[in-house]
Amino acid sequence: GIQVEQSPPDLILQEGANSTLRCNFSDSVNNLQWFHQNPWGQLINLFYIPSGTKQNGRLSATTVATERYSLLYISSSQTTDSGVYFCAVELGGTSYGKLTFGQGTILTVHP
Amino acid sequence: EAGVAQSPRYKIIEKRQSVAFWCNPISGHATLYWYQQILGQGPKLLIQFQNNGVVDDSQLPKDRFSAERLKGVDSTLKIQPAKLEDSAVYLCASSWNSGGGGGTQYFGPGTRLTVL
Repeated sequence: GIQVEQSPPDLILQEGANSTLRCNFSDSVNNLQWFHQNPWGQLINLFYIPSGTKQNGRLSATTVATERYSLLYISSSQTTDSGVYFCAVELGGTSYGKLTFGQGTILTVHP
Repeated sequence: EAGVAQSPRYKIIEKRQSVAFWCNPISGHATLYWYQQILGQGPKLLIQFQNNGVVDDSQLPKDRFSAERLKGVDSTLKIQPAKLEDSAVYLCASSWNSGGGGGTQYFGPGTRLTVL
């Protein structure tokens, strides 16, 4: 099956710092989503981004489908950004809708 | 718009007992998913429904897990009998499937299951 690798596995920042999270995938995908899992376990959609670049406030994401990677940028980090960030990919064809998740990046932002 | 609802939020049972989880998706979402998330890992898809039909249950341990989605709205996931390794968070998600792809998936708060 498809492999999804995220890096780094852990990241510790001071409030106000910027960071880049990476997601590599081993096969062509129909779609890619980024999620934030907060300390209470709720998974929150950040981006639905099969290709190109999107921005939402302090967060932005870029997916280069031809090179099989995606990046999530967090600028001016805040303590509320702490949690686990997952990327998940969806294969096309008969596997539409089926998301395969990476192992996540654990982000800790200190005040 | 109400999000995905799940209950209960927490459940503690003894091994070999049975347990059931309930999920109500976002109104109008045709596709419903159940995921299992073991501590320290990403969620893993167990079963996917399109309306009330099963699209994918290839990773569902069918000897002990079952799921149904009667009337194409809410869904239940059952484990019988439970094993220690079933301790995990069970997440329900839904999406509006446009037919060209699964669409953005929205997750519920999850049910944290502990098997003793």
